[in-house]
Amino acid sequence: GAVVSQHPSRVICKSGTSVKIECRSLDFQATTMFWYRQFPKQSLMLMATSNEGSKATYEQGVEKDKFLINHASLTLSTLTVTSAHPEDSSFYICSAGTTGELLDEQYFGPGTRLTVT
Amino acid sequence: DQQVKQNSPSLSVQEGRISILNCDYTNSMFDYFLWYKKYPAEGPTFLISISSIKDKNEDGRFTVFLNKSAKHLSLHIVPSQPGDSAVYFCAASHSTNAGKSTFGDGTTLTVKP
Repeated sequence: GAVVSQHPSRVICKSGTSVKIECRSLDFQATTMFWYRQFPKQSLMLMATSNEGSKATYEQGVEKDKFLINHASLTLSTLTVTSAHPEDSSFYICSAGTTGELLDEQYFGPGTRLTVT
Repeated sequence: DQQVKQNSPSLSVQEGRISILNCDYTNSMFDYFLWYKKYPAEGPTFLISISSIKDKNEDGRFTVFLNKSAKHLSLHIVPSQPGDSAVYFCAASHSTNAGKSTFGDGTTLTVKP
C-alpha cells in the first residue's frame, strides 16, 4: 500500500517555542491531507483538512493561528504548533489521500509524539 | 457528545476463536463506516469498510456487520490470530463529506496463543 511518513517521530520542546511536524506521501501524490491528534486512550480527533495549494479547513474549536498548516506540494504538508504549551502535548497523526473522498483511500502516517515541558 | 462509541476498552480471546468488536453511533447522518487497526507507535491502517446500503461486508477473516436500526456495527475476526493483537478503531462519516470522520476511542484486542 501507499506510504506516508512523518518527521520527527518524537519531539520534546520547551513551553513557548514552536514545533514543525512534516507529513509526506512517499509514493503517491496526495491532494488532501488530514491532521489528527490523539490523547492517551482516546480517539483520533480531526483537527484540520488541507488541500494542496489552498488554505486548510479547521474543525470547530481548533485555533488556526496556533496550529498552522501548510500544504505546499502534493507530497508534503506541515503542521506547526506555535507557542507550544504543556496542554499541546499529544500524539499528532496525519493521513493522506488521492481523492479526499473515501476514507479507505486515506493512508495514515506513523504519528509524532509531542511533549511540551 | 461522543457520536461514535466503543464501549469495551479491551477484549481478550484465545487463538483460533472468534473476536467480536462492537461500535455504536448516535448520528443518523452517518452512512459510511470503517474499521482501522493500530499498533503502538504507528498510524492506523485501514481494515474494512461498509456503507449503509449493506448490512454485511466480508474480507477474508474479517467481517463487518451493520445494524442501522440499532445504530450498531461490529467487527468479527475468525479465526483470531496472535498477530491480530492491536487497538481497533471504528470510524463513521457522511457521504456528503466522506473525507471527514469521527472515531471511537478504540478497543485493545489481545489474542492469546
